[in-house]
Amino acid sequence: GAGVSQSPSNKVTEKGKDVELRCDPISGHTALYWYRQSLGQGLEFLIYFQGNSAPDKSGLPSDRFSAERTGGSVSTLTIQRTQQEDSAVYLCASSPNPGTDTQYFGPGTRLTVL
Amino acid sequence: TQLLEQSPQFLSIQEGENLTVYCNSSSVFSSLQWYRQEPGEGPVLLVTVVTGGEVKKLKRLTFQFGDARKDSSLHITAAQTGDTGLYLCAGGHYGNNRLAFGKGNQVVVIP
Repeated sequence: GAGVSQSPSNKVTEKGKDVELRCDPISGHTALYWYRQSLGQGLEFLIYFQGNSAPDKSGLPSDRFSAERTGGSVSTLTIQRTQQEDSAVYLCASSPNPGTDTQYFGPGTRLTVL
Repeated sequence: TQLLEQSPQFLSIQEGENLTVYCNSSSVFSSLQWYRQEPGEGPVLLVTVVTGGEVKKLKRLTFQFGDARKDSSLHITAAQTGDTGLYLCAGGHYGNNRLAFGKGNQVVVIP
């Protein structure tokens, strides 16, 4: 079946604008993760969804960041009033089970804030 | 604070040479995973190790989990240009749904 897909692949925006990044996980995977990868940095955890449970938002860097997962499938990461430091690659991953099971990553969305 | 330190950050070698990269932590992990990431793509899982002292082989790649489950190494024998990529280690804890990632080892194999 299809892997994790993300859209758009690239997004250039102006400082202060809002952006929405989309993730389509692998069908049937109950766990979904968002990460941020900046140049020279590792993967920074942002948020985690598991089934119908309340998401783990502890990695979100500020209240400008939010995410939702509709119907236990597609997820959208929203960044409001973007700042230049938000420029990074945003990666989504899904997993058939929570915990330390294999995470399957999408190709990422490269966000550039001018 | 970076939980997992990977070294060296960058390594360039000739095709056919051997190389070893390291992933170290002061924390004990219940499992450790290695991923490889190529430009423009997401990381892809290579291996998961869960037992202290465990050694796993994947063709020319050999992964070892330290006895104390705080560190790991990845050894590549007779490197090929297809081994070029960013190697990421990630540590996990039972009962915790999050993985902690290192910054990665950027490996470049020159033909």
